[in-house]
Amino acid sequence: DTGVSQNPRHKITKRGQNVTFRCDPISEHNRLYWYRQTLGQGPEFLTYFQNEAQLEKSRLLSDRFSAERPKGSFSTLEIQRTEQGDSAMYLCASSDAQYFGPGTRLTVL
Amino acid sequence: AQSVAQPEDQVNVAEGNPLTVKCTYSVSGNPYLFWYVQYPNRGLQFLLKYITGDNLVKGSYGFEAEFNKSQTSFHLKKPSALVSDSALYFCAVRDIPRIRTGGSYIPTFGRGTSLIVHP
Repeated sequence: DTGVSQNPRHKITKRGQNVTFRCDPISEHNRLYWYRQTLGQGPEFLTYFQNEAQLEKSRLLSDRFSAERPKGSFSTLEIQRTEQGDSAMYLCASSDAQYFGPGTRLTVL
Repeated sequence: AQSVAQPEDQVNVAEGNPLTVKCTYSVSGNPYLFWYVQYPNRGLQFLLKYITGDNLVKGSYGFEAEFNKSQTSFHLKKPSALVSDSALYFCAVRDIPRIRTGGSYIPTFGRGTSLIVHP
């Protein structure tokens, strides 16, 4: 499969726990984006990488959120001390956000 | 700042009839426009994009979109709707980055329009 992949597809966690999601973009794409989507809303931008450099972060990205893209390949998004309000679909996209992965659905109990 | 408006939360159309899903945008420079479709519990699938050139853009699954600069619109269209087209549709915009005017590589999405095609 040469598309964007995300793991896990679903994550259920208890409030206060840390979670980490992974995104593997299409290999030749140097731009990678993370978005968050809640029910009834469009995707909201979280952060953007060009190669390994994190170039922009949304004000939505509190200090509990951190993202990395070591070596400019896959990316991880970590949420520390999860809150119920973090429950959402987390989407990764590559190129000009033209290619989206299937998303990771996070449920915080 | 860039923004997108999808004025209709829901569009209903009978199978076989033409469909239009509306989108208007605001950017400081020239727009780079996208349409996506999302099926339940799935990621977004790219349908088509406009950068420059012909104002009528053809995309996947028989969809097309018309760029209208004077009306700052980029409406999605299909001549004959199918029941399987029922899904959530998102319009997105970003500036085309320019050295003098700036711009961003980050698309901004609309809230989405639910398309329901009735048999």
